[in-house]
Order: sequence, then C-alpha cells, then structure tokens
Amino acid sequence: QQQVKQSPQSLIVQKGGISIINCAYENTAFDYFPWYQQFPGKGPALLIAIRPDVSEKKEGRFTISFNKSAKQFSLHIMDSQPGDSATYFCAAGYSTLTFGKGTMLLVSP
Amino acid sequence: GAVVSQHPSWVICKSGTSVKIECRSLDFQATTMFWYRQFPKQSLMLMATSNEGSKATYEQGVEKDKFLINHASLTLSTLTVTSAHPEDSSFYICSARDAGLNTGELFFGEGSRLTVL
Repeated sequence: QQQVKQSPQSLIVQKGGISIINCAYENTAFDYFPWYQQFPGKGPALLIAIRPDVSEKKEGRFTISFNKSAKQFSLHIMDSQPGDSATYFCAAGYSTLTFGKGTMLLVSP
Repeated sequence: GAVVSQHPSWVICKSGTSVKIECRSLDFQATTMFWYRQFPKQSLMLMATSNEGSKATYEQGVEKDKFLINHASLTLSTLTVTSAHPEDSSFYICSARDAGLNTGELFFGEGSRLTVL
C-alpha cells in the first residue's frame, strides 16, 4: 500500500489553542483526502475532507490546508476544546483509502 | 450522514471457533464495502474490499480462507473469522460508500471488538 505519513504521533494543546496535524502522501493519483476523528472503542467519524482542486476548506473550527505540489495536507483545529481529545487519522486515496498512523490529541482544560 | 451498523459490537470466543461479523448500510445502498482491522493504538489497516455479487478483493498478506467475506446484498456484508486464534483478537471495522453519491465519502461502522481466548 502507498504510504501516508502523519505527524506528530501525539499532541498536547491547551484549551483555546490551535491543534495542527500534518500528513504527506506519495501517490499523485490520490484525489480524496479526509480526516477522521476516533474516540476509544468507536469507529472513525469523518471530520472534513478535501479534493485536490482546492487549497483550503473550512468547516466550523476545522480547516484542511492542501499543498498539491508538496503532496502534503494538514488539519487545523481552532479554539481546541477538551472534547476534541481523540485520535485523528488522515487518509488519502481514490477507490480505497490508506490511513496515516494517527495522532493522539489531548486538549488540556 | 449515512449510517453503517455493525453487529456484534463485541464478541468473545474460544480458540478454534468461527465468528461472523455483520456490516449493514441502514439508509443507503453500497455496492462496495471495506473491512479494516485495527490493533490497539494503531492505525486502520485495509483487509479487503467487499463487492456485492462477486468475490472480495483481499489486500496482500490477508488470508482469504481465514477471513471469509460475503456481500450478498446491497446493504449487507459479512466477515467470518474462521478457526479464530488469539492473534486474531482485534477491532474490526467496516465502511461503505453510498452508491448514489459521488462524494467519495466513506461511512464507518462502530466497529466490532473480537477477543479470542
């Protein structure tokens, strides 16, 4: 499987701060880049996704920035809240998705 | 969003027995469903792509005779772990795409935790 590299592995952010998670992919044929949020014991839930024809997409406090030439995309969580504490996975693909290794986010009160 | 339901949500079985996990798309039709396996604190690894009415496509390293997949209808795919062993203990998650949408969005089930004693 083509790799999707995600960093950091874990992240601690103070309440109200900005959480930033980065991903890089290899396959230039990928055309769908979603971010998933997963709580312990639950399946992943789609947060936000982007296609390569735009460089940024914002939904509420969540923003994806996409750099096609660098083959990188990132998730920004503005005004991070304790309830955002979860594991976040980036993914990339077309017919199937390849997932990054995940980032455990802890938002301290 | 669309709902994908998995059953059972958790199961404990003895080594050597077989376990069936169901994945249903509740309010949409899915010609393709995907089965993932997730070990603790690790990422989701695609096991196989389940195709309605035809054979599943397995990822490299996944034993198709051990992980039997059946996609008998547009709303149901099943994963059977045959002759389960403790190393098969994992979190199994299915996902599906709405055949009527062109967004590419994958909807995930809540997962099924298998513990093999």
